[in-house]
Amino acid sequence: GAVVSQHPSRVICKSGTSVKIECRSLDFQATTMFWYRQFPKKSLMLMATSNEGSKATYEQGVEKDKFLINHASLTLSTLTVTSAHPEDSSFYICSALRAGAGDTQYFGPGTRLTVL
Amino acid sequence: AQSVTQLDSQVPVFEEAPVELRCNYSSSVSVYLFWYVQYPNQGLQLLLKYLSGSTLVKGINGFEAEFNKSQTSFHLRKPSVHISDTAEYFCAVSLRPYAGGTSYGKLTFGQGTILTVHP
Repeated sequence: GAVVSQHPSRVICKSGTSVKIECRSLDFQATTMFWYRQFPKKSLMLMATSNEGSKATYEQGVEKDKFLINHASLTLSTLTVTSAHPEDSSFYICSALRAGAGDTQYFGPGTRLTVL
Repeated sequence: AQSVTQLDSQVPVFEEAPVELRCNYSSSVSVYLFWYVQYPNQGLQLLLKYLSGSTLVKGINGFEAEFNKSQTSFHLRKPSVHISDTAEYFCAVSLRPYAGGTSYGKLTFGQGTILTVHP
């Protein structure tokens, strides 16, 4: 099967600091990765589409200067939450698009961010 | 634009009973259809997907779903549930590659259905 990892699984930080979350596709190459945010008892909200070697495409209402996305290789995308505030506390999930066979997205286990 | 509606936010059932989780979608172009399951504090796991061909799709853990084009539905079923099936289930659609354009690969999710299996 296709495996996607995220690191860290849980992070607590102080307000004003920056946090980097890594998303890796372990056994396949992903030219496209997605970043989602999930609020408690809510569905997933797509934040941005990350394409290897190019700038990320952000959904409407998502601050690109606050949520920096870098897709440096075919197996790694990073999301950096800059100058985090308590309202940024959430569950962040990435997915990697596996080309072929319906272009299925495989999801990472998620990262719980708590900003104090 | 596409939209997905999961008609039930919560579905309680007893163990070994059958269950159906309902999903309707709206799209002006052809889509792929997916069901994902999310256990507490975890990411999403693919249960099954419909790409083309037979409208009855079998997935993991004994789940199956039927694509009904005329009713634009993709309901998820299991004939006999277990306690371990307790989780949140998400229906999702994505555009087919030829219709994708800049939206290629993006998933549109339903609101989720919490399935609770009681002993």
